[in-house]
Amino acid sequence: GAVVSQHPSWVICKSGTSVKIECRSLDFQATTMFWYRQFPKQSLMLMATSNEGSKATYEQGVEKDKFLINHASLTLSTLTVTSAHPEDSSFYICSATNSGVYNEQFFGPGTRLTVL
Amino acid sequence: GQNIDQPTEMTATEGAIVQINCTYQTSGFNGLFWYQQHAGEAPTFLSYNVLDGLEEKGRFSSFLSRSKGYSYLLLKELQMKDSASYLCAVFPNSGYALNFGKGTSLLVTP
Repeated sequence: GAVVSQHPSWVICKSGTSVKIECRSLDFQATTMFWYRQFPKQSLMLMATSNEGSKATYEQGVEKDKFLINHASLTLSTLTVTSAHPEDSSFYICSATNSGVYNEQFFGPGTRLTVL
Repeated sequence: GQNIDQPTEMTATEGAIVQINCTYQTSGFNGLFWYQQHAGEAPTFLSYNVLDGLEEKGRFSSFLSRSKGYSYLLLKELQMKDSASYLCAVFPNSGYALNFGKGTSLLVTP
């Protein structure tokens, strides 16, 4: 299957700082990328849908000014958590689709964010 | 709206068979996915059903009944490494985002 990478794998930061997470599709062009957040023992919650060259579509309850998404190319999307707070500590996972036969989403390995 | 239900936890014995059920009520339907997720890792694709019936892939099989809004994942010859969370996800008509259930945590015991 297709490969999606995320960087960094884990990050610890102080409250009030900003953190950027990169999501890359390594061997295919991703027309759409998705950002999910997963709290311990809970399922994946979609935060936003990102299409290359256009503004991201955010899910209800997700602050677009706090979670900045940039999808500058067909292989890269970034999520920036601005002014992070302890409640933002979570597992952030991106996925990418190339609008294939059944729109399978390929998941990145995830980024563990801990805000102190 | 979207409503996807699956059991929270299940326990089964190594070598046995286990069935994980998923029921859904969604405003649109364009297929159902099952993913396996180990703790601290990203989900990995297991199966996709869009037509009614059973899809078999090795030790794993997935069944779908669209009229009943029901699917199950069947795991045979359970191994210890199968201990993980199993996520049911529906692909709706509109847009491309998957809607995930809360996941079923499966524990395989010796």
